[in-house]
Amino acid sequence: KAGVTQTPRYLIKTRGQQVTLSCSPISGHRSVSWYQQTPGQGLQFLFEYFSETQRNKGNFPGRFSGRQFSNSRSEMNVSTLELGDSALYLCASSFGVGLYNEQFFGPGTRLTVL
Amino acid sequence: KQEVTQIPAALSVPEGENLVLNCSFTDSAIYNLQWFRQDPGKGLTSLLLIQSSQREQTSGRLNASLDKSSGRSTLYIAASQPGDSATYLCAVYSGGYQKVTFGIGTKLQVIP
Repeated sequence: KAGVTQTPRYLIKTRGQQVTLSCSPISGHRSVSWYQQTPGQGLQFLFEYFSETQRNKGNFPGRFSGRQFSNSRSEMNVSTLELGDSALYLCASSFGVGLYNEQFFGPGTRLTVL
Repeated sequence: KQEVTQIPAALSVPEGENLVLNCSFTDSAIYNLQWFRQDPGKGLTSLLLIQSSQREQTSGRLNASLDKSSGRSTLYIAASQPGDSATYLCAVYSGGYQKVTFGIGTKLQVIP
C-alpha cells in the first residue's frame, strides 16, 4: 500500500506571495491533518479534514486554510507569506476522524520564504 | 493547556546499549499517546500507539509504557543499533476537541 505523498517536496517563495501544498492520503484513509514544524516551535497542528469538512483546527491565523476533495486528497493554502512561515509542512492521514487515531505521515514539503 | 516535555533533548550511546527516552505531560486526561521517529528532513514514522486504557505496547526491540496518573511515558529501546539514530517524538492526544501536542523530541545518536 502506498504511503502518504506530498507535493511539491521543496518550495521557495517570497514574502507576500501565496502557496498551495498538496497531500494524498493512504488509500482508504479519509482523514487528513496538516502540521507545521519549525526548529523553534516544534510540530504544531494546523487543521484536520474528514469527508471534505474541516473537523478540527489549531491556533493559526486565517492566512492558513485548507480543503479536502471527494477522493480525500487535501490541499493547504497559505496567503500573504511571511518569513516566519518558513517551515516543514507535514500532512498525516488516518482511517477515522479524530487525531487520536493512528497517524501516518508524509515526507513533508519544505517551504522557504525569502 | 497540555504541555509535553521530552528529556533528554539529545543522547549519544554506544551500539548495543539499552536506553530509555522520557516523555512527560501536564494534563492526564488523554485519549492516547504516540511515539514517532523522524529522520533528518523527513516525515514522521509511527512507532507505537498506546491507548489511554493501556499500560504498555511492544514492537520488536521497542517498548513504550504509559502512566497517566503521573503524566509520563517512556520508550525503551533494547540493543540499540546505528540505524536507530534519529529524533524521537512523542505526541499526546487530549482535550475536548481532540487536540494534539508534540514534544520537541530527543535526538538519539548510536555510535558504532
